[in-house]
Amino acid sequence: QVQLVESGGGLVKPGGSLRLSCAASGFTFSDYYMSWIRQAPGEGLEWVSYISSGSSTIYYADSVKGRFTISRDNAKNSLYLQMNSLRADDTAIYYCARAWRGADYWGQGTLVTVSS
Amino acid sequence: DIQMTQSPSSLSASVGDRVTITCRASQVIGTSLAWYQQKPGKVPKLLIYAASTLQSGVPSRFSGSGSGTDFTLTISSLQPEDVATYYCQKYNSAPRTFGQGTKVEIK
Repeated sequence: QVQLVESGGGLVKPGGSLRLSCAASGFTFSDYYMSWIRQAPGEGLEWVSYISSGSSTIYYADSVKGRFTISRDNAKNSLYLQMNSLRADDTAIYYCARAWRGADYWGQGTLVTVSS
Repeated sequence: DIQMTQSPSSLSASVGDRVTITCRASQVIGTSLAWYQQKPGKVPKLLIYAASTLQSGVPSRFSGSGSGTDFTLTISSLQPEDVATYYCQKYNSAPRTFGQGTKVEIK
């Protein structure tokens, strides 16, 4: 069965950096686009970024462009999100999702808290 | 960028009622529209993709319709386990914007 497991969240100070990881299993990871989606406490869903199967196509939401970098390692079945210059409004649960038919499988999420 | 607007933002209905949620795109998106259900404290779940195709395992009381700019999610007979927030999302191109959500409660 498809499994997506995020890690790397935690508490970070404003201006700091964090790298999220997502370990995928149960499907051919290299065949699928992948997304990061976040949800601030008590708020709705916000699409953050996606990356094509071969990493040739990458898009970001305007809110993170220039600060976040998505990447993947198909040999390790892993997706990453490097987050720099973090701000308080980046505080959210970050979900890794398989970007098929929208987002057909989601991980459990990892909480990122940006606070001094 | 294309904006996705859901209405209403919340609703309260009785068990057995027919419930309809609408999602409007600010530009034409064809049928590249997905609906998700997020129960309190849980991970979002894909209900419908391609505007009207039910994801495997989703109860048949859920249905979707629409194309172009106007879309609808219908619950034909609301059940207590349907209490959740529902989101639409466009996925024809980036950014893959979500609607703001519709919270469904039982009256």
